Formats: sequence, structure tokens, C-alpha cells
Amino acid sequence: DQQVKQNSPSLSVQEGRISILNCDYTNSMFDYFLWYKKYPAEGPTFLISISSIKDKNEDGRFTVFLNKSAKHLSLHIVPSQPGDSAVYFCATRGGTSYGKLTFGQGTILTVHP
Amino acid sequence: DGGITQSPKYLFRKEGQNVTLSCEQNLNHDAMYWYRQDPGQGLRLIYYSQIVNDFQKGDIAEGYSVSREKKESFPLTVTSAQKNPTAFYLCASGRTGGISEQFFGPGTRLTVL
Repeated sequence: DQQVKQNSPSLSVQEGRISILNCDYTNSMFDYFLWYKKYPAEGPTFLISISSIKDKNEDGRFTVFLNKSAKHLSLHIVPSQPGDSAVYFCATRGGTSYGKLTFGQGTILTVHP
Repeated sequence: DGGITQSPKYLFRKEGQNVTLSCEQNLNHDAMYWYRQDPGQGLRLIYYSQIVNDFQKGDIAEGYSVSREKKESFPLTVTSAQKNPTAFYLCASGRTGGISEQFFGPGTRLTVL
């Protein structure tokens, strides 16, 4: 039972354009949402997060949007840079096991120069 | 400087042997986690510990064991009962309570021959 889904395995974007990564979840008890970036053979690094009491959070080129009614989370990267090429994971916290994070399958982002 | 260390980076073992993966953190975090990453499946939680001398099973604990004798250390043993041990293993730590992200180590690539 996949509670967090990233339905696009990959995304290809031109440098300077916007990258939009999407994530859907099923459990309305999730209260905190995060995005991580991961390079091959390395651990994920935290990018940005949002609490369920907000619908938007910005940090530089990265903006996370939360639509609670649709149970949908998205990450916008503007402008995209070749160094942004990596795997992006969304993660959620809450539900029956407080403190645990549940991760999506990841989306491979490729930004072409 | 603070962080999470995992050793070794690459590990090879023969089928049927137990192997222990090391994870140490000096971030003074109470909680520690072990995840497994397989291609196309994101990160799946194996075990987690919110406090010293206590730990809970995650979603895929079968064939694994852990201990938490010290706050800084959370070793994972992959036993011979684990049917598909070859994977990339990630350790993470975080604060308990409130809203905070998990910080990940660089990972250990285990290959069972």
C-alpha cells in the first residue's frame, strides 16, 4: 500500500526553465512534508519542507506547494540549473507513527544546458 | 564538524554470512533510522530508534537486527535470513518532537555474492 506516490519516474527540463515535481499522498493525518535531493551513491540532502498549516513555502529557487484537499504536494525549481540534476524524493510525516518519514519512489530530474 | 558517518562505503559478503553496518552521528540527535534503497522503490524504513536502548521495527524489518546502546551509534546487522540483502543502506538521524528533518549519512552499498 503506497501511501506516498511520485507518479513521474523522470523529468527532463531545459536550463533556465521551471521544473515541477509532483507528489500525491493518501493519509490525511500527515502533518509535515519534505523534499530531499539525492545524487547517485550519496545520502539524500534536505531541500525544503512545509507544515500542513501552510500552503506554500519558498527558499530561494525552490518553492513547495501543498494542496491538502487534493492531497497533493509539488516542488517548483525556478530557474532550473544543470546542477539540479538528481533524484528528488518527497517524504511525509505523521499518521499512525509519529516521527517516521514515508518516502515516495523518487523522480529523476535532468536539466539540460 | 557535525554529521553522520557510515562505514564502509562498499561492502561485499558471501551469501549466508551476517554483516554489520556502522552508523555514527555527532549531531546530538535522539532519533536514528535505517533505510534501504532499491532501484525504483524509494527509501524504505527498516528500523528506527527514538531513544537509547529502545528501537522499533519499520516497514521491512525481517532479516535485520539493530542495537542502540549509545546515543551516537545505531549499527544494523543484515542477517542470513534477509532474502535480498544486496542494496544501498542509508542511516539517518533527527530530533524528536516538534518539526524537523532527518539528516542522512553517505550510505553503504552492500553486495552479497
